Amino acid sequence: DAKTTQPPSMDCAEGRAANLPCNHSTISGNEYVYWYRQIHSQGPQYIIHGLKNNETNEMASLIITEDRKSSTLILPHATLRDTAVYYCIPINTGTASKLTFGTGTRLQVTL
Amino acid sequence: DAGVTQSPTHLIKTRGQQVTLRCSPISGHKSVSWYQQVLGQGPQFIFQYYEKEERGRGNFPDRFSARQFPNYSSELNVNALLLGDSALYLCASSLGVQGWGQPQHFGDGTRLSIL
Repeated sequence: DAKTTQPPSMDCAEGRAANLPCNHSTISGNEYVYWYRQIHSQGPQYIIHGLKNNETNEMASLIITEDRKSSTLILPHATLRDTAVYYCIPINTGTASKLTFGTGTRLQVTL
Repeated sequence: DAGVTQSPTHLIKTRGQQVTLRCSPISGHKSVSWYQQVLGQGPQFIFQYYEKEERGRGNFPDRFSARQFPNYSSELNVNALLLGDSALYLCASSLGVQGWGQPQHFGDGTRLSIL
């Protein structure tokens, strides 16, 4: 599985967009990029995933660079409830779907 | 719709004891995975089961075992508990075993404390 690098922490004002970067320079061609988050005292929550095209759902947008070596998760209007640890996880489509969590980014949304 | 449910939510054991944790997946999901999350770290993969068969195992000792039942629920067993087994144990379910397009959905875990 590809290694990932994420900033340990970020702050964002409520109502502003939160842009969370992830570097996955060793990602292989058949690895999707998945994003999960973990709010305090809860289990991880799936957010979004993509292969090479940008993706958007009701929770967030995912921007993947053309060379696929990095991606950015965008929360368009962050709220206090978005305060969590965000994990970027490459997953090989041809293997079992285990998740290898790194250290993630702790996003703090403030008033 | 009910999500992944785990029981119990909290548990206190002493060293050397054995523990069984339970998980009920989302209806229709046939794959269950178990993760251990030590305080301050990300979850670590322990097992994955699909259609009652083990499909993946993480780097955990043989004291850890699991099984999946015909209704797709699952149990995680840990024998000879050590202080280092104190952690949040998470269960996740998904439709199938392949990663593509099939995100895992997590329960809120069982908090196991070893005295």
